[in-house]
Amino acid sequence: GAVVSQHPSWVICKSGTSVKIECRSLDFQATTMFWYRQFPKQSLMLMATSNEGSKATYEQGVEKDKFLINHASLTLSTLTVTSAHPEDSSFYICSAQGGLAGFTGELFFGEGSRLTVL
Amino acid sequence: AQKVTQAQTEISVVEKEDVTLDCVYETRDTTYYLFWYKQPPSGELVFLIRRNSFDEQNEISGRYSWNFQKSTSSFNFTITASQVVDSAVYFCALGSGNTGKLIFGQGTTLQVKP
Repeated sequence: GAVVSQHPSWVICKSGTSVKIECRSLDFQATTMFWYRQFPKQSLMLMATSNEGSKATYEQGVEKDKFLINHASLTLSTLTVTSAHPEDSSFYICSAQGGLAGFTGELFFGEGSRLTVL
Repeated sequence: AQKVTQAQTEISVVEKEDVTLDCVYETRDTTYYLFWYKQPPSGELVFLIRRNSFDEQNEISGRYSWNFQKSTSSFNFTITASQVVDSAVYFCALGSGNTGKLIFGQGTTLQVKP
């Protein structure tokens, strides 16, 4: 089946530094990927929709200058948490939409990346 | 507005008991998808099932079964003869319209005791 890989699986960084998380579709092309954030014991909340070759669409309340998303190819989207602070510590997970012509129900999630900001 | 409600925050059962996890959704779209995912402590989302709005047929997969009823906007999940390995957080999610972005329910934490 289709595979989406996230890297790194976990990362610890100091407050004020930036962290990049990669979401890669390994065996299919994905024009659209999604980034979610999950705080401990909470649900997944959509942060943004990442579209290949264009700007990401952010959900209300998500700071686009803090969470930079780049979707430069059909197989890779990156999320950069800039000037990270302890409150950004969370589990970040991406999904990739299968198919190149609209949503047909095919979705594949990465393994997630756990960020801890000291 | 689109919304997914999982009213049960936590459920605790003893092994071999049957357990049903409830999911109620709201959407104005006529085409939509419903999903169930399992999230073990390690965090990854394990896909369990996807249903589109035009397919109300119930499904059974081993000990798992799903009851989709559009009349009550519900998509409930039943585990028969639960096992300790079923302990996890289970999420119901709605994908609506022509986009793969999902609205997740709050999740139900299932604890199966030996």
